[in-house]
Amino acid sequence: KAGVTQTPRYLIKTRGQQVTLSCSPISGHRSVSWYQQTPGQGLQFLFEYFSETQRNKGNFPGRFSGRQFSNSRSEMNVSTLELGDSALYLCATRTGSGANVLTFGAGSRLTVL
Amino acid sequence: GQQLNQSPQSMFIQEGEDVSMNCTSSSIFNTWLWYKQDPGEGPVLLIALYKAGELTSNGRLTAQFGITRKDSFLNISASIPSDVGIYFCAGQAGNTPLVFGKGTRLSVIA
Repeated sequence: KAGVTQTPRYLIKTRGQQVTLSCSPISGHRSVSWYQQTPGQGLQFLFEYFSETQRNKGNFPGRFSGRQFSNSRSEMNVSTLELGDSALYLCATRTGSGANVLTFGAGSRLTVL
Repeated sequence: GQQLNQSPQSMFIQEGEDVSMNCTSSSIFNTWLWYKQDPGEGPVLLIALYKAGELTSNGRLTAQFGITRKDSFLNISASIPSDVGIYFCAGQAGNTPLVFGKGTRLSVIA
C-alpha cells in the first residue's frame, strides 16, 4: 500500500512569490490535514479537508489556503510568501470516519529567501 | 487554544538506559498518540491510546493514557542507537484537530 506522497520535497522561493504544495493520500483515506512544522513552534495545524470540503481550520492568515479534489488529493497554497513561512509542510491523511490516527507524508521543505 | 506541554525538551542517554517522557494538557483529551520523527521524514505513529488508564506496549515502548485524561507518558526501555529522533505526543478532543507537543529530542550515546 503506497504511503502519503508529498511533492515537491524541497523548494526555494523568494519573498512575495507564491507556492503550491501537493499531497496524495493513502488509497481509501478521504481526510487530508496539513501542518506547518518549525523549530520554534513545532507542529501547527493549518487545515483539514474531507470529501472536498474544509472541515477544520487553524489559526493562520488568509495567505494560506487549500483545496481537495474528488480523488482526495489535496493542494495547499501560500501566497505573498514571507521569510517566516520557511518551514516543513506536512500532509497527514486518515480514513476520515472514526479513526483519529494520522499517517504523515515526508513533507515539503520550503525555504523563503 | 489547547496547549500541550511536553518534557523534557531533549535528552542525552547512554545506550541501554531507559527513557521516560511525558505530556500534560490544560484540557481533557479522548485520544493520545505518540509519534517519532527521524531527520528528513514525517512523524511515524508509535502508539495510540483511547481510554483513560490504558497502558499499551509496542516492543520496548510503553505508553499510558493518564487517569485524569490530561496527561500521557512514553517509556522506552533498553535504548538503542536507532531510538534517536524526536518524539511527539499528540492529543485530540472530540472531532477537533490533533494538537501536538513540541517534541522531545532523544540522543543515544553508544
